[in-house]
Amino acid sequence: AQKVTQAQTEISVVEKEDVTLDCVYETRDTTYYLFWYKQPPSGELVFLIRRNSFDEQNEISGRYSWNFQKSTSSFNFTITASQVVDSAVYFCALSEARKLIFGAGTRLAVHP
Amino acid sequence: DTGVSQDPRHKITKRGQNVTFRCDPISEHNRLYWYRQTLGQGPEFLTYFQNEAQLEKSRLLSDRFSAERPKGSFSTLEIQRTEQGDSAMYLCASSLVLVTSGSYEQYFGPGTRLTVT
Repeated sequence: AQKVTQAQTEISVVEKEDVTLDCVYETRDTTYYLFWYKQPPSGELVFLIRRNSFDEQNEISGRYSWNFQKSTSSFNFTITASQVVDSAVYFCALSEARKLIFGAGTRLAVHP
Repeated sequence: DTGVSQDPRHKITKRGQNVTFRCDPISEHNRLYWYRQTLGQGPEFLTYFQNEAQLEKSRLLSDRFSAERPKGSFSTLEIQRTEQGDSAMYLCASSLVLVTSGSYEQYFGPGTRLTVT
């Protein structure tokens, strides 16, 4: 069965610190997609990134970067120089082109 | 470009009552999904539509739940004889799935928070 594990329940950092959110997944499919979503206090899930299983290149978007390693079934998310506005719950998700299977989320608190 | 909208945003109902939620997807999206999220958990898949056809339902979707997407536009999710365990955030999402591009990111609405007393 497909599964996504986000072992870190809560992380607390001080502004400008770098922080990495871990995501480990399980699937038997050879073709799959991985996602990260942000859920700020307002509650709406915001799409951040999609990565397909054939593309192991790391991606950087501003202060955000993602590290996909098929060998360890991990898709980790790093925020560089964190800001208070980054405070939210972050979800990693796995798809086989239909439904998304979400992890339990990591709550990130960035303090000034 | 408007995003996914859901109505109502909050619903308080008494146990045993029926409730109906509405979702309006992004206009050009052909897939529409319903998820349920309880406190401290990630969203859990309930069902999805490809245009007007309901293609998959989760085991979480008991007989008291029914979803429709007439004409492949908006969707409704009805819960009959609500129970306290139905209290959750109900999220709707939509996506554009093309044979050629395989774009699968789902865009979520703000959710409907249901409280059953």
